Amino acid sequence: GAVVSQHPSRVICKSGTSVKIECRSLDFQATTMFWYRQFPKKSLMLMATSNEGSKATYEQGVEKDKFLINHASLTLSTLTVTSAHPEDSSFYICSARVLAGDTGELFFGEGSRLTVL
Amino acid sequence: AQSVTQLGSHVSVSEGALVLLRCNYSSSVPPYLFWYVQYPNQGLQLLLKYTTGATLVKGINGFEAEFKKSETSFHLTKPSAHMSDAAEYFCAVRKGGATNKLIFGTGTLLAVQP
Repeated sequence: GAVVSQHPSRVICKSGTSVKIECRSLDFQATTMFWYRQFPKKSLMLMATSNEGSKATYEQGVEKDKFLINHASLTLSTLTVTSAHPEDSSFYICSARVLAGDTGELFFGEGSRLTVL
Repeated sequence: AQSVTQLGSHVSVSEGALVLLRCNYSSSVPPYLFWYVQYPNQGLQLLLKYTTGATLVKGINGFEAEFKKSETSFHLTKPSAHMSDAAEYFCAVRKGGATNKLIFGTGTLLAVQP
């Protein structure tokens, strides 16, 4: 199956700093990627849809100025948590849809655990 | 609007016993349904999916699920649990349209006792 890779897998930062998480599709092109946030012992919450070459579409209640998404190429989307605070600590997971032959399946990255001190 | 309900946030079975994880969905259009597994501190791995056709879907690691439209259910089963099956399981429904968004259930943590 298709491979989606996230980096870093873990990051610890100080409050007030910005953190960038990368999501790469390694063996396929993805016009659309999705960013999810998962709280401890909770389900995945869709944050935004990242579209290559255009602005991301944010879900209701997600601050677009807080969570900056850039999808500069068909294989890379980045999520930047700006001015991070402890409440932003979470597990962030990206997923990508295969460009061709879409069957409705999404491939997920390994996740990135953010801890804000 | 689509939604997913997973009954039972925690399920515990003995090794070798039947695994049954419940999922009910709500969808205004014919649904695409998925089961994913998540191991600690990892992303999600697709177990199986239903799009169209045969209602009994077989997935990886011996899991299967049956789409029952009359019951709006898509329960996940495995005849004999293995210790390595201990993980979090998520049922998901694909949101309508071309966006391919997935709506996830709240998850069921499966524990397998020796």
